[in-house]
Amino acid sequence: AQSVTQLGSHVSVSEGALVLLRCNYSSSVPPYLFWYVQYPNQGLQLLLKYTSAATLVKGINGFEAEFKKSETSFHLTKPSAHMSDAAEYFCAVTRNYGGSQGNLIFGKGTKLSVKP
Amino acid sequence: GAGVSQSPSNKVTEKGKDVELRCDPISGHTALYWYRQSLGQGLEFLIYFQGNSAPDKSGLPSDRFSAERTGGSVSTLTIQRTQQEDSAVYLCASSLAWRGENTDTQYFGPGTRLTVL
Repeated sequence: AQSVTQLGSHVSVSEGALVLLRCNYSSSVPPYLFWYVQYPNQGLQLLLKYTSAATLVKGINGFEAEFKKSETSFHLTKPSAHMSDAAEYFCAVTRNYGGSQGNLIFGKGTKLSVKP
Repeated sequence: GAGVSQSPSNKVTEKGKDVELRCDPISGHTALYWYRQSLGQGLEFLIYFQGNSAPDKSGLPSDRFSAERTGGSVSTLTIQRTQQEDSAVYLCASSLAWRGENTDTQYFGPGTRLTVL
């Protein structure tokens, strides 16, 4: 069975500072991992996904994540936070569904606040 | 092109009433998913449709919940005899999921906020 754990339900950074949102996964099969962002009162938007092609994945809005199998981690980073990055971020893994993609299994989410 | 749309955007109902929530997936997407987002439980999977296969209903919390997908496109999630604990945002997503691709992106709609009084 697959699962993800996001450390820290709330992270606060200053504008221009490094953003680091942590995600650890558990999977008995090679995982496919995703980061989604949710702005207030909006649906989920894909930031980036790991599909086993490259361990360092670049996404939209300057975000990137590195897949580390030895640490079972897929942390999300951005070198310099912007006020517009304030949102809730979800790490997710797809359920292996007989070889096809199944539903997403989400972490609890991390709410990012950016201080001016 | 058009994304996933859901209606209504907000629904307020009284305890015990039935409600129907609608999802229009992206045209051509064969997979459709329903999730529920609530404060206490986070994002939970409810049900999954893939082409003409039998839906995966393993996430439905009770037999008061059901869903159908007509013509491989539009889906309706029905909650019968609503309870206060059903209050949540119900999100729909679709993906291309062609030939069993494991990495297809799921595109989410804006959700329906359900409030049961």
